[in-house]
Amino acid sequence: EMVMTQSPATLSLSPGERATLSCRASQSVGSNLAWYQQKPGQAPRLLIYGASTRATGIPARFSGSGSGTEFALTISSLQSEDFAVYYCQQYNNWPPRGTFGQGTRVEIK
Amino acid sequence: QVQLQESGPGLVKPSEALSLTCAVSDYSISSGYYWGWIRQPPGKGLEWIGSVYHNGNTYYNPSLKSRVTISVDTSKNQFSLKLSSVTAADTAEYYCARTAVTGQFDYWGQGTLVTVSS
Repeated sequence: EMVMTQSPATLSLSPGERATLSCRASQSVGSNLAWYQQKPGQAPRLLIYGASTRATGIPARFSGSGSGTEFALTISSLQSEDFAVYYCQQYNNWPPRGTFGQGTRVEIK
Repeated sequence: QVQLQESGPGLVKPSEALSLTCAVSDYSISSGYYWGWIRQPPGKGLEWIGSVYHNGNTYYNPSLKSRVTISVDTSKNQFSLKLSSVTAADTAEYYCARTAVTGQFDYWGQGTLVTVSS
């Protein structure tokens, strides 16, 4: 069974700082990894797919990296609207199955 | 811009079945893609429930497979979820979403809260 582990659980940072979130897969998923942002009371929003491709309309301050089992989401300079929960998801199977990580909360320090 | 909208009862009694529908607009389900259901218990993370292809092929999360049925109605451009024998553990926000050709969920509904309680 595929397990996705995100770290840290919570990241406390100030606006303007750089945020780096990690996601680890229990087995290789190649580049079949996505990142989502979720704000309170809202549905998740796709940020990154294919490990490093920004979805339509996503600002350039969001970047994804990694392959295999280790992945990262970087927010180069946190804006007020970026404080939210972030989830990674692997989709290495076909038909695609959605295995999500448990989430990382980015909060204002 | 693809739009999805969930609908269904917000309160379901224990041991009964939960039924939700996702109406899709600005895109024809018959054109392709997989269409899925994801849920999120209050204060917790996301759990994929299952997905259906436009031709009716389905695949489910093994942990829920015995209780889940997902179906598609291309004439109404919608797909549905049925979860049987619910318990309080099934209380969650339920989202429908489109799966892009590469596997990520690219369009989401706004979600609907379903509470299991007598």
